[in-house]
Amino acid sequence: DADVTQTPRNRITKTGKRIMLECSQTKGHDRMYWYRQDPGLGLRLIYYSFDVKDINKGEISDGYSVSRQAQAKFSLSLESAIPNQTALYFCATSDLQGPTDTQYFGPGTRLTVL
Amino acid sequence: KQEVTQIPAALSVPEGENLVLNCSFTDSAIYNLQWFRQDPGKGLTSLLLIQSSQREQTSGRLNASLDKSSGRSTLYIAASQPGDSATYLCAAGGRGGSYIPTFGRGTSLIVHP
Repeated sequence: DADVTQTPRNRITKTGKRIMLECSQTKGHDRMYWYRQDPGLGLRLIYYSFDVKDINKGEISDGYSVSRQAQAKFSLSLESAIPNQTALYFCATSDLQGPTDTQYFGPGTRLTVL
Repeated sequence: KQEVTQIPAALSVPEGENLVLNCSFTDSAIYNLQWFRQDPGKGLTSLLLIQSSQREQTSGRLNASLDKSSGRSTLYIAASQPGDSATYLCAAGGRGGSYIPTFGRGTSLIVHP
C-alpha cells in the first residue's frame, strides 16, 4: 500500500462549487504539505502543517483552506472553485526529526474546473 | 526569497550518453538539496538528498553534488537509458526548523534508443 494516498485522483467540477481534496499518510510524519503544479510553473506551496495544531499559509493560499483532522490526515478545500484553479495537486509529508528530511509525495489529484 | 532555476528546461539525448542536469539557487543558507523524478501525470519520487554539510550523494548511476558557496547542484546520470526519460526537479530546503523546500521548474529529459 502507498504511504501517501490522495482522493479523488481525478475530479471535474464547475465554477462556484466547493471541492475537498483529501490526503492520508501512514508514514507517521508530523509535517504535511499541499502543492499545486501547473505546466511551466513548477510546484507551488499552498499550505503546510507541522503538526495538528500548526497550520501555515504558503505562497498561493488565496482561494484555498485546509484542515488537519489528525496526524495522518490533511485536507485541502476550494471554497468556490474557479477555472484558474485547474491544476495537478500534490500532498507531501516529511519528518524533520528523521536522519534525512526527504519529502514523500502522493500520486496527485488532477482537478479541472469548468 | 529563495529562487531555484534549472537548466536546461528540456534535453533529448541518445541512449548511453552521460549527462548533467543543473540546479542553481539564490540563497545559500539551505538545509538540504533534494532531487526528484516525476513521470508524466504522476507524483514525485525522491532520488537523492544532500544535507548542507555534505558535498555529494550517489545512488546507482546517479550522482548529485552540492556547492553551497556558488549556489549550485548538479545531477549526473551515467550511461543514460530510455527508462530514465522523465522530468527531474530539484528542491532547496530552507534552513532551520521552518524547513520549506523551494522547487525548480524541472528539466524534461528524453533518452531515445
